[in-house]
Amino acid sequence: GQQVQQSPASLVLQEGENAELQCNFSSTATQLQWFYQSPGGSLVSLLSNPSGTKHTGRLTSTTVTKERRSSLHISSSQTTDSGTYLCAIHQGGRALIFGTGTTVSVSP
Amino acid sequence: GGIITQTPKFLIGQEGQKLTLKCQQNFNHDTMYWYRQDSGKGLRLIYYSITENDLQKGDLSEGYDASREKKSSFSLTVTSAQKNEMAVFLCASSIRGSNERLFFGHGTKLSVL
Repeated sequence: GQQVQQSPASLVLQEGENAELQCNFSSTATQLQWFYQSPGGSLVSLLSNPSGTKHTGRLTSTTVTKERRSSLHISSSQTTDSGTYLCAIHQGGRALIFGTGTTVSVSP
Repeated sequence: GGIITQTPKFLIGQEGQKLTLKCQQNFNHDTMYWYRQDSGKGLRLIYYSITENDLQKGDLSEGYDASREKKSSFSLTVTSAQKNEMAVFLCASSIRGSNERLFFGHGTKLSVL
């Protein structure tokens, strides 16, 4: 089955609303990264967070390693936050394994 | 800062054709990757390379060849394009392993007629 599962698959927000994206993984991860992909654009690494809580700008990621889950919280969403958010894990020895992503659409 | 350049940006091929995608990075990173992105399926690893002339197969390597003749470049060949195939191929690099930050190119969009 899918090693990295993200939910929800899509999310529609009104500008200013907060959002929480979930990532669950089936095996122990030595590294976890969140990426952003703009519509039609390349991927950009947002946060690297194998455990605990990390912040960058309006984004907060919380990873509970032993429960094999991570969340990405977007506060005060803006239209420029629209795009796809991907969670990826590293299990040691190989390249990152990606989830299928959460597509976020923020309307003004 | 550095940049990853993928060429071409768009690639239209015929069924059965051999197609080559190129990727260049000027970060001086050791490790480079090729991922395929299909709609609704996330990214899947095709090949990666930890140094010049090294090749490691990913989960999706069948039907592809790769080449890392220089540290800065990593090419991917679709050995026989499949009819109606449509996907985006993404190249990435990292300093050493993928437990470090990955930088991606803008992708090559493939359509097979």
